[in-house]
Amino acid sequence: QLQLQESGPGLVKPSETLSLTCTVSGGSITSSNYFWGWIRQPPGKGLEWIGTISYSGTTFYNPSLKSRVTISLDTSKTQFSLKLNSVTSADTTIYYCVRHVIANSWDGFDYWGQGTLVTVSS
Amino acid sequence: DIQMTQSPSSLSASVGDRVTITCRASQSISSYLNWYQQKSGKAPKFLIYGASSLQSGVPSRFSGSGSGTDFVLTITSLQPEDFATYYCQQTFTNIRTFGQGTKVEIK
Repeated sequence: QLQLQESGPGLVKPSETLSLTCTVSGGSITSSNYFWGWIRQPPGKGLEWIGTISYSGTTFYNPSLKSRVTISLDTSKTQFSLKLNSVTSADTTIYYCVRHVIANSWDGFDYWGQGTLVTVSS
Repeated sequence: DIQMTQSPSSLSASVGDRVTITCRASQSISSYLNWYQQKSGKAPKFLIYGASSLQSGVPSRFSGSGSGTDFVLTITSLQPEDFATYYCQQTFTNIRTFGQGTKVEIK
């Protein structure tokens, strides 16, 4: 059974960089049909897609965050990471790592981590 | 970006009821529409892709329909475990966007 687990600091200071890692277990991170991504959700609010990375390292990002976001993949560790710089209080949300399946019409976020709350505060 | 609008924002229903949730896209997205279920404190669960195809393991009481700009999620005979928030999401463009969610509550 595929499992995803987020890890990283739960508290980040304003203007600094938020860094999270997702560790994937129980499956391969290098299959061509599977991409890997991040989604966030302010507590009690809706979902916002942050970005996705392919096994080959191709990325696509939400334009609203693109200037501040970097997603990278470490296939040797079966991990992928999120970096969001210049954070503000608006970046205080729950962050989920996800597997993003893209195979013709089968296109969606089919596995999710449990989510990790990151608070931006001094 | 394509905007996704769900209605209603919330609804109250009883066990056994038939429930319908609507999702409208700001432009045509063909059938590139997914549905997710999120229970309180949990990560979302992938229910339906391609507007009407059930993800593996999803009960058959869930169904999706629609194309173009208007889509519907139907739950026939609502079960206690179905009380949750439901989100639609478009996959027509590389910029994935979600609806704001519809909360299904117990009447």
